[in-house]
Amino acid sequence: DAEITQSPRHKITETGRQVTLACHQTWNHNNMFWYRQDLGHGLRLIHYSYGVHDTNKGEVSDGYSVSRSNTEDLPLTLESAASSQTSVYFCASSDPGRASTDTQYFGPGTRLTVL
Amino acid sequence: DAKTTQPTSMDCAEGRAANLPCNHSTISGNEYVYWYRQIHSQGPQYIIHGLKNNETNEMASLIITEDRKSSTLILPHATLRDTAVYYCIVRVRGSQGNLIFGKGTKLSVKP
Repeated sequence: DAEITQSPRHKITETGRQVTLACHQTWNHNNMFWYRQDLGHGLRLIHYSYGVHDTNKGEVSDGYSVSRSNTEDLPLTLESAASSQTSVYFCASSDPGRASTDTQYFGPGTRLTVL
Repeated sequence: DAKTTQPTSMDCAEGRAANLPCNHSTISGNEYVYWYRQIHSQGPQYIIHGLKNNETNEMASLIITEDRKSSTLILPHATLRDTAVYYCIVRVRGSQGNLIFGKGTKLSVKP
């Protein structure tokens, strides 16, 4: 079955280290999104992509970057991890080309702790 | 996207219908109502969406008032596994872009 996966599911890192979170979907969706979820803030958009080589900044993009070299993957990189980036990260995808729905499908999340 | 208002929390007895309300008084003509839920520690899950007619699928029913200013998500026979935060989102279908999640309603299904 088609799905969206994230890895790792849990990550502990130190301040200043570079960290990359993986997101892979097998639906062949053009649109992919990265959100973070913190208590009291709900889900906030970090970056998104509408297709290969397309990337866009979201509401809370500072300190994060993404690249889209193929349809299936949108890795999220924290250039120099900070304690304020301790959060749960969700990846999502959608296909606006489908007539039935443009709903977003979410991955299981990655819990990142920056010490 | 129009703003939505939902109660902070609700309780429901297992096996009974759970009726979750949402107000969206500023909804415009081309905006759909979407419902998602998030079970603890999991990613949000799509439930159902509609424009103006009532909709039903294997998970739930969506009732939208005639003036479209409010809607109700109905889980016909709630189970303990339906305990989650339920989000009502209004947006133009196919408008691209992210979903804007509010605070949602924390539904607790009790035995």
